Amino acid sequence: KNQVEQSPQSLIILEGKNCTLQCNYTVSPFSNLRWYKQDTGRGPVSLTIMTFSENTKSNGRYTATLDADTKQSSLHITASQLSDSASYICVVSATGGGNKLTFGTGTQLKVEL
Amino acid sequence: GAGVSQSPSNKVTEKGKDVELRCDPISGHTALYWYRQSLGQGLEFLIYFQGNSAPDKSGLPSDRFSAERTGGSVSTLTIQRTQQEDSAVYLCASSPSHTSYEQYFGPGTRLTVT
Repeated sequence: KNQVEQSPQSLIILEGKNCTLQCNYTVSPFSNLRWYKQDTGRGPVSLTIMTFSENTKSNGRYTATLDADTKQSSLHITASQLSDSASYICVVSATGGGNKLTFGTGTQLKVEL
Repeated sequence: GAGVSQSPSNKVTEKGKDVELRCDPISGHTALYWYRQSLGQGLEFLIYFQGNSAPDKSGLPSDRFSAERTGGSVSTLTIQRTQQEDSAVYLCASSPSHTSYEQYFGPGTRLTVT
């Protein structure tokens, strides 16, 4: 069964600090891995999408890494801001029709003053 | 331009009633997806449309759930005889095509069955 596991489940950091979120997956055959940010009461918004051949991708202060051999990904947030407080969801897509996605349960990040 | 919109934003219904949830995708997007997000759970795939046809309905949890899409645009998810376990946020996403990696999500409809 395709699964995506994320850690930690929740995290509190001080504004300006860095943090790293982890994602392990068992999705096969692998197509791509995405990180989404979901603010409370809103739909997820894509941060990065990585295919098998990509091992790092950045979007501003967000940097995602992918190790397709170990089936692990991380999302690093640099110089955190209060607006980074959200749920960060790792999503893995298998090849095949429909572009179906397997979602992790997310890491709830809170950035405090 | 306008993003994906969903209505209503919140719906409270009594157990046993039918509900209809609406999704307006981004104009020109041919692929449309429905997901369910239960409390403490990851998003769960329900159904996917390419145009007006639904090649993949494998995620619908029971025959009480159905969805249609007309004119290659608006989609409606219908839940008949609602149960308390149907309470969740129902999210819709659209994509330029079913081969595109990018999916754009709407804000969701929060359904509460009492």
